[in-house]
Amino acid sequence: GENVEQHPSTLSVQEGDSAVIKCTYSDSASNYFPWYKQELGKRPQLIIDIRSNVGEKKDQRIAVTLNKTAKHFSLHITETQPEDSAVYFCAARGYQKVTFGTGTKLQVIP
Amino acid sequence: SAVISQKPSRDICQRGTSLTIQCQVDSQVTMMFWYRQQPGQSLTLIATANQGSEATYESGFVIDKFPISRPNLTFSTLTVSNMSPEDSSIYLCSVPIYRGSGANVLTFGAGSRLTVL
Repeated sequence: GENVEQHPSTLSVQEGDSAVIKCTYSDSASNYFPWYKQELGKRPQLIIDIRSNVGEKKDQRIAVTLNKTAKHFSLHITETQPEDSAVYFCAARGYQKVTFGTGTKLQVIP
Repeated sequence: SAVISQKPSRDICQRGTSLTIQCQVDSQVTMMFWYRQQPGQSLTLIATANQGSEATYESGFVIDKFPISRPNLTFSTLTVSNMSPEDSSIYLCSVPIYRGSGANVLTFGAGSRLTVL
């Protein structure tokens, strides 16, 4: 089955700096890569996603890149704000099933 | 977008008992998924609830421990049977919701936080 690895497990940045979270996946059949943000005590919420026919996607301060050949994808958050502090999960979807990475706890220091 | 209602939101249970979690969606969906999130951990798929057939379980999860019902296209239940403290987790119902961009986005209920004493 699919295996998704995520790094780093924790990340602290100063407010205004950028944050980068990296993931790798194992199943070349995976074709959809969502990123979720989970605030403390709340459900995971989709923040951005990318399909396998696209190399990069941007939505305001967040962007995701995908390298299908290397089976790598990354989340980039620019101009971080305290409200960006949360746990972020990458995920990969093959045939219907979504497999999640281990999560990154991001702390933005004011 | 679809509304996913899950209950109970939390419960404290005694060892050896069973608890059933309900998930209701306000629109018909083909597939419903049950995930477990242990404290401080990621989301692990327990099973896919299929309407009209048995659920499909992931490796490490069995029907006797986590029986699932899917009586129609808007409702599912997950039972955690013969609970032990190791079953203390958040259990989340999720469904794929179609978005205009062409992707089915996995959307979660609010979760059921179970504590087993």
